[in-house]
Amino acid sequence: AQKVTQAQTEISVVEKEDVTLDCVYETRDTTYYLFWYKQPPSGELVFLIRRNSFDEQNEISGRYSWNFQKSTSSFNFTITASQVVDSAVYFCALKNYGGSQGNLIFGKGTKLSVKP
Amino acid sequence: EAGVAQSPRYKIIEKRQSVAFWCNPISGHATLYWYQQILGQGPKLLIQFQNNGVVDDSQLPKDRFSAERLKGVDSTLKIQPAKLEDSAVYLCASSLVARSGGGQETQYFGPGTRLLVL
Repeated sequence: AQKVTQAQTEISVVEKEDVTLDCVYETRDTTYYLFWYKQPPSGELVFLIRRNSFDEQNEISGRYSWNFQKSTSSFNFTITASQVVDSAVYFCALKNYGGSQGNLIFGKGTKLSVKP
Repeated sequence: EAGVAQSPRYKIIEKRQSVAFWCNPISGHATLYWYQQILGQGPKLLIQFQNNGVVDDSQLPKDRFSAERLKGVDSTLKIQPAKLEDSAVYLCASSLVARSGGGQETQYFGPGTRLLVL
């Protein structure tokens, strides 16, 4: 079975704090992709990052960083020095490589509130 | 580059009425997806098109939902008749391909249509 678990339903921080959003996934496939999307109040899902299962290098993009650990089936997302504009719902998603189907399996999302 | 376009942005209807949503994917994207996002949950795939053919509609409630992508570009999703539990955001996404090793399968989403069924 494929499943994505985001255990944190809501997180509230004060601006400039660092915050980590957790994501744990389940899949039987050996080749798969992991994604993070941001959904601001406007509703559009904004693509943040895609990771292949065979590439465990961590990635940093500005204030964003991602920690991928296959041993614990986790793909956590850290925002450094958070800003009010980071307030949104963040979704972690899984996509298996096999077959022609491309549907993403999403977690339930983590709502991040950054207060000034 | 223009993103995925959807209309309308909001729709309020009464149960048993019908409603249609429209999606225009990113130019050149062969694969188009419709997702349903119920409040407090992640999006769930309803149907996937590759050009104008259906690849996966296993989670589409076919007794009331239908979708088409006649010319392999724009797509419409219809609900007839609507039920209260259809209240959700309907998201359209597109990708260059459905499967690859080089990132071309990354899905880009539109702003969604918020449907409220009374």
